[in-house]
Parts: sequence; C-alpha cells; structure tokens
Amino acid sequence: GESVGLHLPTLSVQEGDNSIINCAYSNSASDYFIWYKQESGKGPQFIIDIRSNMDKRQGQRVTVLLNKTVKHLSLQIAATQPGDSAVYFCAENKGTSGTYKYIFGTGTRLKVLA
Amino acid sequence: KAGVTQTPRYLIKTRGQQVTLSCSPISGHRSVSWYQQTPGQGLQFLFEYFSETQRNKGNFPGRFSGRQFSNSRSEMNVSTLELGDSALYLCASSLAWSSYEQYFGPGTRLTVT
Repeated sequence: GESVGLHLPTLSVQEGDNSIINCAYSNSASDYFIWYKQESGKGPQFIIDIRSNMDKRQGQRVTVLLNKTVKHLSLQIAATQPGDSAVYFCAENKGTSGTYKYIFGTGTRLKVLA
Repeated sequence: KAGVTQTPRYLIKTRGQQVTLSCSPISGHRSVSWYQQTPGQGLQFLFEYFSETQRNKGNFPGRFSGRQFSNSRSEMNVSTLELGDSALYLCASSLAWSSYEQYFGPGTRLTVT
C-alpha cells in the first residue's frame, strides 16, 4: 500500500555534529516532499520541501536529499543544536488538483546530547 | 503576524457525545486543513477547506465533518465520539488551496472517556 515511513524512531546526536534523518516512501507519483519539525506541545513546523524534479535543496543549516531511484528522502541538519531536539516528520504530497493529500511518516525523535 | 490559533487547547468528552473544535488561520490565509495525530497512526489528513468549500477529504468516517466561514475561520465537528477519537487535532492554514507550505496551530488535545 501507500506509505511514508522512517527508518529510525529515535536518533541521538552529539551537539555540534551533523544529523541525518531518513524517510522511505512508496509512491513514485508523489510530486512534493516536505519535512516538518514538531516540538513538544506545539504543532508541526515547516522546515523545507523539495519537488520531485529536484535531487537536493538547501536551507539554513538543513539540506534535503531526494533519491527517486530508491524512493528515499533524507534531512540533514548541520551543526546540530539543543534547539533541534524534536520529532521530525517527512510527508509526501500527491494527487491531481482536487484529490491531493498529505501522507505523513510516523516521525523520528531527534535527541541532541550536550 | 499572529499564528494559527485553535480553541480549546484541551477537551475531555464522554463516549457518544459530540465535540466542536475551532481554528483561526493566519490573517490572509484562505485555506484550512485539519489533521488527527495519534501515537499509533501519526498524522492523518482529515479535510481541507477553501473559500467555505471542502476541497479535499481524507479517509475518515462521516462522523467527522467541518465547515469554513466567510472570514476563513474553520470548525471541525465529531459526532458520536468513540474512545479511538482521542487524539491531538491540528489545523493548518495556507495562502491558497493545495498550497504545499502549511502553518500548523498548537492543536486541541481531545480525550474521550
């Protein structure tokens, strides 16, 4: 079936190191992928997105990589900081006008160790 | 600019009751989407409203309904509550219909006993 999943439920990273959060998707028709960050007690916060016709996109301290061959999406966070501790979701957005919907992964918890 | 606001933040209801949740989008945003978040199922799309019309719908039973007002504020209603409806209900607003960049509110935590 259609699904968006994450390989690791919890990721612990030393402060200052780079973090890589992975995501697998199953529908090759998806045209947009989004990463969200959710802190405790808050709603998800948009981080970065990428179109299916791109392989890489960079933001401030974050990079998203899309490998369509193996249907894999990753979020790289450079110089991880304590404030990066949160749950990270990937989501795919697919469908034609009027039928699109978001499918979210279950989330990966990132713990930044001091 | 104020963010997305949701009321109430916490709610406790009994099985069989109904509940109405409210969402006020960011000023100027005309699209509001609703999501259910549970530990077991994660974030699931409920529906999206734009210009007072439901534009997209997820795979939820008819007990879940919504509406949008002319000022873009939206309400979600769940009738005949079940224990499994306990969840965090999130709304997200965006400028336009089917916009990929959504801004989420803090959510309403619903507990059904």
